[in-house]
Amino acid sequence: GPKVLQIPSHQIIDMGQMVTLNCDPVSNHLYFYWYKQILGQQMEFLVNFYNGKVMEKSKLFKDQFSVERPDGSYFTLKIQPTALEDSAVYFCASSSQGSNTEVFFGKGTRLTVV
Amino acid sequence: AQSVTQPDARVTVSEGASLQLRCKYSYSGTPYLFWYVQYPRQGLQLLLKYYSGDPVVQGVNGFEAEFIKSNSSFHLRKASVHWSDSAVYFCAVSNNNNAPRFGAGTKLSVKP
Repeated sequence: GPKVLQIPSHQIIDMGQMVTLNCDPVSNHLYFYWYKQILGQQMEFLVNFYNGKVMEKSKLFKDQFSVERPDGSYFTLKIQPTALEDSAVYFCASSSQGSNTEVFFGKGTRLTVV
Repeated sequence: AQSVTQPDARVTVSEGASLQLRCKYSYSGTPYLFWYVQYPRQGLQLLLKYYSGDPVVQGVNGFEAEFIKSNSSFHLRKASVHWSDSAVYFCAVSNNNNAPRFGAGTKLSVKP
C-alpha cells in the first residue's frame, strides 16, 4: 500500500542544537501531519500542513518548531533549539483529501536529545 | 474541540476469546471515527473507519466497530482473537476541519 518514508529512523542530538526530521509523504497526497509519541503512549497531534501553510497546530507545537515542504520535496519538521523534553518518536503522516480520509503514517523518527 | 477517551490502558485476553476495546469521543458535530493499530516500532495502520451510514463497520482481520451516537462511543470488537493481534490500538476522531485526535491507546496482549 501507500508508504510514508521517514529519514532518519533514529537521531541523537545535543540539547540546544537544531534538528530537521524528514518525511517523504505518499506521492499524490496534499495534506501532511506531524505527531509526537512518548514512550509508546498517546499519539499527540502537533501540526497539519496544506498548500504551503500551517492549517492547524496544537499547544505542543512550540515556537521552536517549524514545518515546510519546499518545492514538493521532503516535508520537514525543524526544531531549533532542541530541549530535553523534545525526546520522543515523531510520526509523519499524509492524506489525499484532508483528515476525513485515511491518514497514512510513517514508521517514525526516534529523536533523543541529550 | 474533539477528544477521545480510551479507558483501558491494557487488556489481556486468551487466544480465541472475544474482544472489546472501548472508545468514547467528545465532539459536538458529526465526527469521523477511526481505529488504528500500532505494532512495535511501526507507524499506525488503519483498521476501520466510520463516516456515515450503517453504524456497524467492518475492518481488516475480522475487526468491527459500532458507532453509538447516543453513547458517544465507537467500541472495537473481534469475535476471536489471535496471538498476532497483540499490539496497541488507537481510537481517533476528526472532522472536515481538524486533523485526527487520538486516544491514549489500549495495549492488547493475547495469551496463548
